Amino acid sequence: AQSVAQPEDQVNVAEGNPLTVKCTYSVSGNPYLFWYVQYPNRGLQFLLKYITGDNLVKGSYGFEAEFNKSQTSFHLKKPSALVSDSALYFCAVRDIGTNAGKSTFGDGTTLTVKP
Amino acid sequence: DAMVIQNPRYQVTQFGKPVTLSCSQTLNHNVMYWYQQKSSQAPKLLFHYYDKDFNNEADTPDNFQSRRPNTSFCFLDIRSPGLGDAAMYLCATSRDSLGSSYEQYFGPGTRLTVT
Repeated sequence: AQSVAQPEDQVNVAEGNPLTVKCTYSVSGNPYLFWYVQYPNRGLQFLLKYITGDNLVKGSYGFEAEFNKSQTSFHLKKPSALVSDSALYFCAVRDIGTNAGKSTFGDGTTLTVKP
Repeated sequence: DAMVIQNPRYQVTQFGKPVTLSCSQTLNHNVMYWYQQKSSQAPKLLFHYYDKDFNNEADTPDNFQSRRPNTSFCFLDIRSPGLGDAAMYLCATSRDSLGSSYEQYFGPGTRLTVT
């Protein structure tokens, strides 16, 4: 079984400050981990992924995430937030051992960046 | 260049009147998904096609059905829409095979209103 938790419904930061959106996961095997962003009335958009290799992965729009196996976490970060980063963010996990094509999504975190 | 296309973007139907939502992709991905999303909640997987194999989620109502006539197209049929079926319906695709990276590509969604 696979699951993912996003402990914060909302994250508020000031423009120019660093941001972190938290995600923890649970899988029986090794994980594939993903972050997606959703703007109002749009579909989800892929940001970045961890498959294997370096624990720090870089993605679109200056976002990065750090895979921490011991803490089973994959937090999304950005050094300097922009107002345009305000959106709904979803973390997702996929157990490498499964081949059914399914990922499990977290409940989402609304990021608000204030000018 | 749109990669996952959903039509229509907005659909209004009457209570109990069958409706079909369509999705097409230009990515030649082997997996296609249908999600239901309500009010900025996590997308809820309804079913997915892994190649030609149909995979229904256990809690997907019988009222929802799907067809995938070829690699590029997938349809969501709602046989008798109820008020509770009003939602955003998201189609997504992924390449799921050895050496793939498995991220999903989402269409813009179809917002269904039931009157």
